[in-house]
Amino acid sequence: KQEVTQIPAALSVPEGENLVLNCSFTDSAIYNLQWFRQDPGKGLTSLLLIQSSQREQTSGRLNASLDKSSGRSTLYIAASQPGDSATYLCAVGGGSNYKLTFGKGTLLTVNP
Amino acid sequence: DTGVSQNPRHKITKRGQNVTFRCDPISEHNRLYWYRQTLGQGPEFLTYFQNEAQLEKSRLLSDRFSAERPKGSFSTLEIQRTEQGDSAMYLCASSLGALEAFFGQGTRLTVV
Repeated sequence: KQEVTQIPAALSVPEGENLVLNCSFTDSAIYNLQWFRQDPGKGLTSLLLIQSSQREQTSGRLNASLDKSSGRSTLYIAASQPGDSATYLCAVGGGSNYKLTFGKGTLLTVNP
Repeated sequence: DTGVSQNPRHKITKRGQNVTFRCDPISEHNRLYWYRQTLGQGPEFLTYFQNEAQLEKSRLLSDRFSAERPKGSFSTLEIQRTEQGDSAMYLCASSLGALEAFFGQGTRLTVV
């Protein structure tokens, strides 16, 4: 059974700082890995998708990497802003139906 | 394209009542997923449709839960004889094959 762990559970940083969120998974037989953002009481917003054959993806200030063999992914956020405050969820897609298995998320607070 | 739409956004019901949620996926997406998220946890997979066929159900989906996707378009999730433990955010997602999954805003269910 796939298990996804996200570290740290919570992170508080001053505005402007660069930061890294970590995700690990137990079964390397994945099709893809997706990072999401979730604001309180809201649905999930997709940030980045990395296919299993890829090593990284970038979108604006966000960069996600994937090391499938070691079962790890990182989400790098550059020059953090208060508007980045949210919960960040990592999910791995696997199985014949590509269903996602999620971690519990990292609650990020960026202080002005 | 307006993305994945879920209705209602919030539902409060008395224990023992039946409730039904609706999900309208992105129109060209053939895959549709339902997930459930409780406070402080990541979403957990409930069930999956490819077009109109329900191809996988989680053990979390008890006999009181039923889902349909008639004609491979919108989907409904019904919970019969609701229990307090059913209180959660119910999330719908759609995708095209193994590509990026897009989530709706969710339906927040409170059973009193």
